[in-house]
Amino acid sequence: GQNIDQPTEMTATEGAIVQINCTYQTSGFNGLFWYQQHAGEAPTFLSYNVLDGLEEKGRFSSFLSRSKGYSYLLLKELQMKDSASYLCAVGQAGTALIFGKGTTLSVSS
Amino acid sequence: GAVVSQHPSWVICKSGTSVKIECRSLDFQATTMFWYRQFPKQSLMLMATSNEGSKATYEQGVEKDKFLINHASLTLSTLTVTSAHPEDSSFYICSARRAGGQSWDQETQYFGPGTRLLVL
Repeated sequence: GQNIDQPTEMTATEGAIVQINCTYQTSGFNGLFWYQQHAGEAPTFLSYNVLDGLEEKGRFSSFLSRSKGYSYLLLKELQMKDSASYLCAVGQAGTALIFGKGTTLSVSS
Repeated sequence: GAVVSQHPSWVICKSGTSVKIECRSLDFQATTMFWYRQFPKQSLMLMATSNEGSKATYEQGVEKDKFLINHASLTLSTLTVTSAHPEDSSFYICSARRAGGQSWDQETQYFGPGTRLLVL
């Protein structure tokens, strides 16, 4: 079957670093996506990994290990506006992305 | 860019009426559009996949006669909730996948801002 796991909730303080993990078991794999979703809004695209390794984009980085079925999203220098849900999703050629249930991150001052 | 719009952003209707939601890709052509529903504090639930010029593919448990999808062009898909009832109140979000472009971009789904439906 298709399974994507990520923690339900995480908390952190401003200025800190937080790592959101995601493990997946899917029948196909055509890339790992991370989306950010603020409450009451639609998801926005953050990152895409298809090869093993770390992709850095400003304060956000995403890592992938295909052999382990594992990814993480690293957020540095946390800001209050980073409080949101972070969705891990697996792409499979020709079909819709398979989303995890999301990790709600709360950043406090 | 890859901008997707939805209209309306908010709709309140009486039970038994039908509601049409439009999803447009503004600056790209979309091979495929997807419709999701999201209840408060829950994850996205895929309702159907829509390809231009062909019938939509519905996920298990989604009534195709109740949620009518039309994908008339490479930039427009519509979702009509027929005979809406209070339990259909939800946040409906569409996403679009770009035609052409680099391989990673062909997999990326770009989301519209969502339509909040309240059925009284």
